[in-house]
Amino acid sequence: AQSVTQPDIHITVSEGASLELRCNYSYGATPYLFWYVQSPGQGLQLLLKYFSGDTLVQGIKGFEAEFKRSQSSFNLRKPSVHWSDAAEYFCAVGGYSSASKIIFGSGTRLSIRP
Amino acid sequence: GAVVSQHPSWVICKSGTSVKIECRSLDFQATTMFWYRQFPKQSLMLMATSNEGSKATYEQGVEKDKFLINHASLTLSTLTVTSAHPEDSSFYICSARTGQGAGNTIYFGEGSWLTVV
Repeated sequence: AQSVTQPDIHITVSEGASLELRCNYSYGATPYLFWYVQSPGQGLQLLLKYFSGDTLVQGIKGFEAEFKRSQSSFNLRKPSVHWSDAAEYFCAVGGYSSASKIIFGSGTRLSIRP
Repeated sequence: GAVVSQHPSWVICKSGTSVKIECRSLDFQATTMFWYRQFPKQSLMLMATSNEGSKATYEQGVEKDKFLINHASLTLSTLTVTSAHPEDSSFYICSARTGQGAGNTIYFGEGSWLTVV
């Protein structure tokens, strides 16, 4: 079965501190993994994606994520957060083909402490 | 980057009426579009997968007669909420998948807020 788990519902970090958001997935084939960010009342913006190649993926806004097949994880990181990073973050997994559906995790709300 | 447009952004309708939400891929052709529903402070729940020229594939528990999906062209999919009731009030988001292989990705619309009164 296809599923995504984001174990942290809410995380608060200080501005300038490092960040790691956890994501674990279950998928029967080679997964296509995504991280999206959503500001309140807004749509979703793609931060980064991974299908193959280098397991450390660079995204926009200074984010990166590392795919670890042995741990079925795709954690999102940022070395130094900014107040504007406060938002909801969603990890998603799907298949390779264009018709494969994408399933989302429950999301992690990030708050930034001044 | 690729743009997906949803219209309307906000809609209020009376209970028992129907409302249509459009999802357009503005600068690419999308053979597959997806419709999601999101309740406040919750994640996105996939409702259906919409394929151009064929019937949509609905997720378990989603009423296909209530949420009518039409994918008439490679750039347009519509979701019609029929006989809407207050419990249908939600944030509806569409997405479109583009490209093949490692280049394929999914872009999301800005979402549509539906309030049924």
